Amino acid sequence: QVQLVESGGGLVKPGESLRLSCAASGFTFSDYYMSWIRQAPGKGLEWVSYISGSLSTINYADSVKGRFTISRDNAKNSLYMQMNNLKVEDTAVYYCATGSDWNPTPFDSWGQGTLVSVSS
Amino acid sequence: SSELTQDPAVSVALGQTVTITCQGDSLRGYYAGWYQQKPGQAPVLVVYGRNNRPSGIPDRFSGSSSENTAFLTITGAQAEDEADYYCNSRDSSGHLHVVFGGGTKLTVL
Repeated sequence: QVQLVESGGGLVKPGESLRLSCAASGFTFSDYYMSWIRQAPGKGLEWVSYISGSLSTINYADSVKGRFTISRDNAKNSLYMQMNNLKVEDTAVYYCATGSDWNPTPFDSWGQGTLVSVSS
Repeated sequence: SSELTQDPAVSVALGQTVTITCQGDSLRGYYAGWYQQKPGQAPVLVVYGRNNRPSGIPDRFSGSSSENTAFLTITGAQAEDEADYYCNSRDSSGHLHVVFGGGTKLTVL
């Protein structure tokens, strides 16, 4: 069955960086769109970024564009998010999620999330 | 980016039928996905496309749409259906983004 395991979250200060990882198993990783979605404490879901299986299509929410970089290593079945110049408002649980082979959404499977806290 | 609007809270008596709505211009061109999230857990996709359910989702969950509105219907709500429900779709503004509704808290009485 599909399994997604996020890691790399933690407590950082504003302006610092973090790199999140998502280890995937149970499906042909390279065939599928993958996304990062976040949820601030007590708030709703916010899409952050997606990347196609072929790496040819990448998109970001306006709130993170220019600061976050999504990438994937299909040989390692892994998805990444490099987060630079973090802001207090980036504090959230970050989920990785699968799309389909031709569309980033709907989000079929989700990991359990990793918490990123940005505070001085 | 376009927006999706949901009622913040809805309640239903045990065993009755409830419909949760999601409104937005992007729904004129894209189907909605619906997600259930219970406290402390990751979201789970319950309905997508015209009216499709992933494997393992009970058939009391169904979806429909009309013009700029998508509907999630739970027929015979159970206590375990109490959760937050979110809709999402592609953004129709041309930026190829993805958007979520603000979520609906469903209470089963």
